[in-house]
Amino acid sequence: NAGVTQTPKFQVLKTGQSMTLQCAQDMNHNSMYWYRQDPGMGLRLIYYSASEGTTDKGEVPNGYNVSRLNKREFSLRLESAAPSQTSVYFCASSEFKGDSSGNTIYFGEGSWLTVV
Amino acid sequence: AQSVSQHNHHVILSEAASLELGCNYSYGGTVNLFWYVQYPGQHLQLLLKYFSGDPLVKGIKGFEAEFIKSKFSFNLRKPSVQWSDTAEYFCAVNGGDSNYQLIWGAGTKLIIKP
Repeated sequence: NAGVTQTPKFQVLKTGQSMTLQCAQDMNHNSMYWYRQDPGMGLRLIYYSASEGTTDKGEVPNGYNVSRLNKREFSLRLESAAPSQTSVYFCASSEFKGDSSGNTIYFGEGSWLTVV
Repeated sequence: AQSVSQHNHHVILSEAASLELGCNYSYGGTVNLFWYVQYPGQHLQLLLKYFSGDPLVKGIKGFEAEFIKSKFSFNLRKPSVQWSDTAEYFCAVNGGDSNYQLIWGAGTKLIIKP
């Protein structure tokens, strides 16, 4: 049981390049998330997918797109990378939405992205 | 909109000192409260959570947190810290219009001097 797996772990991009961060979870969770973490700003939600087939913008969606490929996989794409997108990206999942006690979020190990 | 405030961005303590990290949130309705920890080079892990019932919640590694509804607070405590507690600690809240989305505090970096 690997939990949440994301790749790549490290990536350096040139401004204007595109790339996709991959994420998969093996916990049969309905909801998946992409966050970015920047110093002094905590975690900010980029996009989320409440359930398979749906995606919604979070707090900072500009410059990103997502695809919920199936229940397990949720990818994040940077179409034209900018230095402001240098950050640590975390994929996460949770069992279901709502206020139930099952809504603990589980995180992947992070992807360190540098845009030069 | 909801917000979460963690008052101390950096805390430095000696081993065996007592710890209290503050967390306040802005929503007045029913909330779920979380503390996550991120050890150096690792991903975030759940430390403890409150959904209902006893407002004093015990988590892993000797941590506890108390939900005080009247103060909109969910402070994290540990009676005696260890060097291995060096990490960044995040408070998070969901409830009301953010329902299953977590609203995160900015984090507190805790450094324990051996």
